Amino acid sequence: KNQVEQSPQSLIILEGKNCTLQCNYTVSPFSNLRWYKQDTGRGPVSLTIMTFSENTKSNGRYTATLDADTKQSSLHITASQLSDSASYICVVKSGGSYIPTFGRGTSLIVHP
Amino acid sequence: DAGITQSPRHKVTETGTPVTLRCHQTENHRYMYWYRQDPGHGLRLIHYSYGVKDTDKGEVSDGYSVSRSKTEDFLLTLESATSSQTSVYFCAISESTSGTQTQETQYFGPGTRLLVL
Repeated sequence: KNQVEQSPQSLIILEGKNCTLQCNYTVSPFSNLRWYKQDTGRGPVSLTIMTFSENTKSNGRYTATLDADTKQSSLHITASQLSDSASYICVVKSGGSYIPTFGRGTSLIVHP
Repeated sequence: DAGITQSPRHKVTETGTPVTLRCHQTENHRYMYWYRQDPGHGLRLIHYSYGVKDTDKGEVSDGYSVSRSKTEDFLLTLESATSSQTSVYFCAISESTSGTQTQETQYFGPGTRLLVL
């Protein structure tokens, strides 16, 4: 069964600090992995999308890494801001399927 | 950003009544999805569509039906609402940014909050 596990479930950091969120998956065959940011009361918004051949991809202060051999991904947030407070969702898509597999998300709170 | 709207944005209804949620897109994307999001479960797929009149079930489809008579509209119907269907419902659409499925990006609507009493 395809699964996506995220850790930690929740995280509290101080403004200006860095943090790293983890995503482990068992989806096969692998097509792509996406990280979404979901603000409270809103729909998820895509941050990055990575395919098998990509190891790192950045979007401003967000940097995603992918290790397809160990089936792990991380999302690193640099110099956190209050606006980074949100849920971060890892989504993995299997090749040939319309249906992605969602992680349960990591809830990040950035305190001033 | 893809133009996706959902209506209504909030709804309160009573157990046993039918409810229809609408998703409208202006991007002419082929694929449309309905998800529900509940605490502790993340997003779960209810139904999806891969073209006009082409739909299929997701992992939590019991009690739900869908219809897609036009490319731009995807309707989700709760045939007889139950309290367990109280949730936030998200519509999503997907395109292929490079013409292949590998690079497809999924865009989400703003959500509909449904409360079944």
